[in-house]
Amino acid sequence: GENVEQHPSTLSVQEGDSAVIKCTYSDSASNYFPWYKQELGKGPQLIIDIRSNVGEKKDQRIAVTLNKTAKHFSLHITETQPEDSAVYFCAAGEAGTALIFGKGTTLSVSS
Amino acid sequence: GAGVSQSPSNKVTEKGKDVELRCDPISGHTALYWYRQRLGQGLEFLIYFQGNSAPDKSGLPSDRFSAERTGESVSTLTIQRTQQEDSAVYLCASSSNSGPYGYTFGSGTRLTVV
Repeated sequence: GENVEQHPSTLSVQEGDSAVIKCTYSDSASNYFPWYKQELGKGPQLIIDIRSNVGEKKDQRIAVTLNKTAKHFSLHITETQPEDSAVYFCAAGEAGTALIFGKGTTLSVSS
Repeated sequence: GAGVSQSPSNKVTEKGKDVELRCDPISGHTALYWYRQRLGQGLEFLIYFQGNSAPDKSGLPSDRFSAERTGESVSTLTIQRTQQEDSAVYLCASSSNSGPYGYTFGSGTRLTVV
């Protein structure tokens, strides 16, 4: 089955800096790679996703890159703000299956 | 409803008791998923329902865990003879197709076994 590794587990940045979180996956059949943001006491919320036919996707300050050959994908947040502080999860999966999640990255943005 | 609704939001139970957790997915979403999140940990897949197909139960940790879903509506996750290690937040998500695209999560049920 699929296994997703996520690094780092914690990340502290200054407001305005960039943050990068990386994930690797094991199952070459996976073709869908979303990122979720979880704030304290809430369920995870989808912030961006990418499918395997695309190498990069951007939405304002966030972007995701995918390298299918190396089986890794990354989340990039530019111009970080205090409200970006949260736990971020990557996941991998394919049609007809459930997503497998990484263990999460706690991002702290200090002003 | 507008989102995925889970109840109760918090549940404290004594070790050995049975508990039932409820998930009400977004109307029209055919796929429904249960995950467990232990304190400070990632999301652990438990079970996946897709329409009227047989559920994928491959993530259930023991035979004390079971789940049901009535058609494409409400789902209940039952934990029998609860143990302290069952303490966690149980999250439900739904999506509009055969998934896993575009999950919408509920806020979860925080289960504490004392």
